[in-house]
Amino acid sequence: GAVVSQHPSRVICKSGTSVKIECRSLDFQATTMFWYRQFPKQSLMLMATSNEGSKATYEQGVEKDKFLINHASLTLSTLTVTSAHPEDSSFYICSAQPNTDTQYFGPGTRLTVL
Amino acid sequence: GQQLNQSPQSMFIQEGEDVSMNCTSSSIFNTWLWYKQEPGEGPVLLIALYKAGELTSNGRLTAQFGITRKDSFLNISASIPSDVGIYFCAGQRRGSQGNLIFGKGTKLSVKP
Repeated sequence: GAVVSQHPSRVICKSGTSVKIECRSLDFQATTMFWYRQFPKQSLMLMATSNEGSKATYEQGVEKDKFLINHASLTLSTLTVTSAHPEDSSFYICSAQPNTDTQYFGPGTRLTVL
Repeated sequence: GQQLNQSPQSMFIQEGEDVSMNCTSSSIFNTWLWYKQEPGEGPVLLIALYKAGELTSNGRLTAQFGITRKDSFLNISASIPSDVGIYFCAGQRRGSQGNLIFGKGTKLSVKP
C-alpha cells in the first residue's frame, strides 16, 4: 500500500515551453500533497503544499505564477512549470499524505530544459 | 528553507559493519521520519517515529525518537551492498499541515 506515482518520469523540453507533471496516490486518498525540488547532491526543498479543492500554499521564494499547482481530486495533483528556462531544470518530487503523520513520495520527474 | 543537522554527511564502510547516523534540531518535532533515496528515485519511507523515546525496528534498521524530541538516530546492522544510498531524516511539527523539514542526507557506500 501507500504507492505514489508520477508522470512523466523524465521530460526534455525547449526553453519557453510549459511542462505538466502529474502526481497520483494509487491506493489511498490524499487531502494534501506536496511538491519538492531537488538539485544534485542536495536535500529536498519544499516548493508548495497542495490542498484538494483549494489554492496551493507556496514556500517563500517560489513563484506561484511560474509553478502552477492544481489539486483537482483526492488522488491527483499536477504541477505545471510555465515558460520553462534552463534554470528550472531539476528533479521534481511529489509526496502524498494519507494522514497527518506520514508522507509517501513519488519516484520523481527529471526535467531538463534546453 | 530550514534544515535539520544530519551527520555524518557520508560514510564508507565494509559489508557487514554496523552504521549509525543522526539528526539534531534546535526545536522540537512531533514526528521523525527516516527515508532512503537511490539515484534517480524518490525517497522511500523506512521508519516513522511518533513518540518521544520510541524505538522502532524495520528488519536490520532501528531508529529512535530522542527523549528531548530534538533528535533522532538511525542504525543499520550488518550492512549489505544494497544498503547503498542516501538516507534522509525528516521532522514534522504539530500544526504544520504535515510540512516536513529535511536533513541534508547521509550518503552510505558499502564495500563488498
